[in-house]
Amino acid sequence: DTEVTQTPKHLVMGMTNKKSLKCEQHMGHRAMYWYKQKAKKPPELMFVYSYEKLSINESVPSRFSPECPNSSLLNLHLHALQPEDSALYLCASSQDFMRPQETQYFGPGTRLLVL
Amino acid sequence: AQKVTQAQTEISVVEKEDVTLDCVYETRDTTYYLFWYKQPPSGELVFLIRRNSFDEQNEISGRYSWNFQKSTSSFNFTITASQVVDSAVYFCALRSWAGTASKLTFGTGTRLQVTL
Repeated sequence: DTEVTQTPKHLVMGMTNKKSLKCEQHMGHRAMYWYKQKAKKPPELMFVYSYEKLSINESVPSRFSPECPNSSLLNLHLHALQPEDSALYLCASSQDFMRPQETQYFGPGTRLLVL
Repeated sequence: AQKVTQAQTEISVVEKEDVTLDCVYETRDTTYYLFWYKQPPSGELVFLIRRNSFDEQNEISGRYSWNFQKSTSSFNFTITASQVVDSAVYFCALRSWAGTASKLTFGTGTRLQVTL
């Protein structure tokens, strides 16, 4: 079963709000990813967790704070976002980040609108 | 550095037509992996295929087929007898054995519109 779930599907928040995006996978994968995708653009990598440790932070502003409570869960905490942060946020997982042949499986995404 | 080019921004076809989506890649590595993903309007990226650089055998899966040619650094995707449900954005992606921090590099995507 290649399924990654994400909640919520849609989120509208003000610039002073604090919210969290959640991602879950039950494939036994040890790598989890957050991507940001703007309209008509490819996904852009934000963070990579490998074996529950942050491996890559693509110079993402600190108003985005990732968390990996366990190997199945990945959160993205949002605080003081800007309207330009409005995008589709995709979570993905793969068996092992260090192995480039491993396929990344994506969740359905959270559509975020910052007002 | 690695790069993926999908020169076709948008393609429109009538149902039952065949359509080929082009993908050209650049990498200095001899070991690399190519992927195709489909992104319907719902937003989820759906994995379609993975191909490694040592396997140039073409692959067919139902109405889908892929033509991998190392000589031209291309990994093209053909949909035979297209259907309305094929309407989506298709991304080609590349990841190479380029160290511990290699990332999945996406092309800019090709939007396919299939009409009745």
